[in-house]
Amino acid sequence: AQTVTQSQPEMSVQEAETVTLSCTYDTSESDYYLFWYKQPPSRQMILVIRQEAYKQQNATENRFSVNFQKAAKSFSLKISDSQLGDAAMYFCAYYSGGGADGLTFGKGTHLIIQP
Amino acid sequence: SQTIHQWPATLVQPVGSPLSLECTVEGTSNPNLYWYRQAAGRGLQLLFYSVGIGQISSEVPQNLSASRPQDRQFILSSKKLLLSDSGFYLCAWDGDRGYEQYFGPGTRLTVT
Repeated sequence: AQTVTQSQPEMSVQEAETVTLSCTYDTSESDYYLFWYKQPPSRQMILVIRQEAYKQQNATENRFSVNFQKAAKSFSLKISDSQLGDAAMYFCAYYSGGGADGLTFGKGTHLIIQP
Repeated sequence: SQTIHQWPATLVQPVGSPLSLECTVEGTSNPNLYWYRQAAGRGLQLLFYSVGIGQISSEVPQNLSASRPQDRQFILSSKKLLLSDSGFYLCAWDGDRGYEQYFGPGTRLTVT
């Protein structure tokens, strides 16, 4: 079974600075998908960024980018120019592509933005 | 554009009472639908998955059940709630690409 590990329960960053959240995963599959979701205090899960494993290029969405290291099974999220609205729980998630498996989530990292 | 709705937003129910949570998706047809539960301080756990009307796959044994009476409607039910059923329930659909999931606003369930 696939597992997703987020080793940082909590991270803190100054507003306008850059922060990197770590994620590692374990799988025997060669094709899969990785995601970062944001869960603000409202608790709705919001898709931040996606990475298809067959793509070598790291995904980027505005201030959010990933460092995808397939051989190392590592998938970190970098948030540039941190804003107060970025404060939330961030979850790393893995999807094998077989619908019945759903998403496998890490336990999350609580990101605090210091003004 | 597609939208996913859940209701109720909040629910407080006594132990042993029945449960019905509803999820509907607008702006798409024949979506794959999912129910997840998030217990306090923990990640999300997949409960049920559906590829179409009347087709339900269960991931974990529990006293919960799911049904899909219409193409864009997914219902989570229980005949008798347990204290351990408390949590945040999220419905999701797999989007136009078919491999990423979009979540509804969730239902906070407290069993007393």
